[in-house]
Amino acid sequence: EVQLLESGGGLVQPGESLRLSCAASGFTFSSNAMTWVRQAPGKGLEWVSVISGSGGSTNYADSVKGRFTISRDNSKNTVFLQMNSLRAEDTAVYYCARTCSLSCSGEDFWGQGTLVTVSS
Amino acid sequence: EIVLKQSPATLSLSPGERATLSCRASQSISSYLVWYQQKPGQAPRLLIYDASNRATGIPARFSGSGSGTDFTLTISSLEPEDFAVYYCQQRSNRPLTFGGGTKVEIK
Repeated sequence: EVQLLESGGGLVQPGESLRLSCAASGFTFSSNAMTWVRQAPGKGLEWVSVISGSGGSTNYADSVKGRFTISRDNSKNTVFLQMNSLRAEDTAVYYCARTCSLSCSGEDFWGQGTLVTVSS
Repeated sequence: EIVLKQSPATLSLSPGERATLSCRASQSISSYLVWYQQKPGQAPRLLIYDASNRATGIPARFSGSGSGTDFTLTISSLEPEDFAVYYCQQRSNRPLTFGGGTKVEIK
């Protein structure tokens, strides 16, 4: 059974940093790209970042480029999102999701999300 | 950045009725469109990929169509568990983008 478990969310002040983790199990982790998607309270979904299975390729939304860094440790089946220079508008539930590899397109498994609140 | 516009914002229907949701892209995205369903307090769920292919385990009452800039998600006969918010997402160009969502509510 595929499972994704996010952690690391919390309350931080503007300008501070936070590192989210997503521990994966139930599949060959290095075979899939991994994605972070966020959702501000009461709002829609926003794609944040993706990292390839090897970790050699990454991509970011313009809203986080230069401030957030996605990485992965395939030996620990974990993907990370380092968030620096946080702003109030980064307040959201952050979801980790597995990107389909060959059989489909899109994110086919999602974690339960972790809440990040940026406020003074 | 490709903008996706979903309509209507809210759809009020009764169980058993047919739901038709629209997603329009600001430029052609071929068939690189997916649909997600999200219920309150839950993560999104992949329904349809490549515009018309049902994801694993998705009931046949869900169908997708379209290509280029205009796409449709159809729920042939609404079940009580189908009342939720539906999002389209384009996967043609980075950054990937979502539509604003359509809420299907009980009339």
